[in-house]
Amino acid sequence: DQQVKQNSPSLSVQEGRISILNCDYTNSMFDYFLWYKKYPAEGPTFLISISSIKDKNEDGRFTVFLNKSAKHLSLHIVPSQPGDSAVYFCAASGVYNQGGKLIFGQGTELSVKP
Amino acid sequence: EADIYQTPRYLVIGTGKKITLECSQTMGHDKMYWYQQDPGMELHLIHYSYGVNSTEKGDLSSESTVSRIRTEHFPLTLESARPSHTSQYLCASSHRGRNQPQHFGDGTRLSIL
Repeated sequence: DQQVKQNSPSLSVQEGRISILNCDYTNSMFDYFLWYKKYPAEGPTFLISISSIKDKNEDGRFTVFLNKSAKHLSLHIVPSQPGDSAVYFCAASGVYNQGGKLIFGQGTELSVKP
Repeated sequence: EADIYQTPRYLVIGTGKKITLECSQTMGHDKMYWYQQDPGMELHLIHYSYGVNSTEKGDLSSESTVSRIRTEHFPLTLESARPSHTSQYLCASSHRGRNQPQHFGDGTRLSIL
């Protein structure tokens, strides 16, 4: 069973507009959530995280929102830039996860068009 | 900037060979992890370590083994490679404590013929 799901395999956005990437989870024991960006032939790069005691965390152009009741998180990128084109993974962990292991979604490929 | 290095980046090798994938980090992180990722799929944890002389299996069954003799070094070994081992292997590390982000290397793409 997939505990972290990214239902949109791809998203296309115009440069300068907002990109919204979504992620749903099923395990209510998750208490820490992260977003990673991945370029081809590179490892995932950590972008931003949020703990379950918050509902929003912001870092520059990136904001992550957490809705615990809906078990949903989203990543907003404003404004979107062509260099943001990559695959974005959400991940989650919980206190009972092995050593703090991350459970990853399948990824959403973002394409930002000039 | 994360400083975690994996070698080789790419490896094509025949069945039955012994392989060691190297992973080193210069951040002084206690925790280290190995993930496996097939194309278009999510990452799955195969091994992790809390620190020196600590190794644990992840939730994806793997025929590989790991060792942690030094804090900065977490190599993964396949004693006898098979085509089913063809995949991308990603190493990560993080500080001890809860809610610490993991930082990833660029991975090793392994192809077993």
